[in-house]
Amino acid sequence: EAGVAQSPRYKIIEKRQSVAFWCNPISGHATLYWYQQILGQGPKLLIQFQNNGVVDDSQLPKDRFSAERLKGVDSTLKIQPAKLEDSAVYLCASSLRRQGAIDEQFFGPGTRLTVL
Amino acid sequence: GEDVEQSLFLSVREGDSSVINCTYTDSSSTYLYWYKQEPGAGLQLLTYIFSNMDMKQDQRLTVLLNKKDKHLSLRIADTQTGDSAIYFCAESGPAGNTPLVFGKGTRLSVIA
Repeated sequence: EAGVAQSPRYKIIEKRQSVAFWCNPISGHATLYWYQQILGQGPKLLIQFQNNGVVDDSQLPKDRFSAERLKGVDSTLKIQPAKLEDSAVYLCASSLRRQGAIDEQFFGPGTRLTVL
Repeated sequence: GEDVEQSLFLSVREGDSSVINCTYTDSSSTYLYWYKQEPGAGLQLLTYIFSNMDMKQDQRLTVLLNKKDKHLSLRIADTQTGDSAIYFCAESGPAGNTPLVFGKGTRLSVIA
């Protein structure tokens, strides 16, 4: 079974530029998550989708971050404009999310963003 | 608010046992998780425990849960160099229906 795919793996941009990340979840996984992992920290949820609808985006800085999951499969996360503090690894995860069962999230390798 | 605390570093000798500790704040968490992150890789679920259990054993891994003290631990028996990684404790909310909240991670170094 193929895992969660993310691209690009690395990205270096200057502040105030725009950047987009792409995620392809495991086939059949209805729930998709984007996390931000700053160096030395644990992952922090940015946004959670259930199919193509947003379940939780309370921690997404909406003035500069946006995400979409058209057709309920692939997802893109965009930052416009980027700030220095956005330097982090952006992790995508997906899960089956069965009610009442554990939500085992499968993570992609992440995109490491460096903002100069 | 939700907060998960872990010690940042642990160093053990190959063959010894490792114990990684975690404290959490959300008493309504249904499940508690341990994830492993190797360099340059995403997180991998190692094991989890349901909140009405106090212990779970899975091969070399033993999870202990003290709900009264909101304390979770992961014991790795016969630690190997391949166990060197960052270990994250994470909690979920009621019925597992809220996003995971992760600790900052414990970096385990295994000395041969």
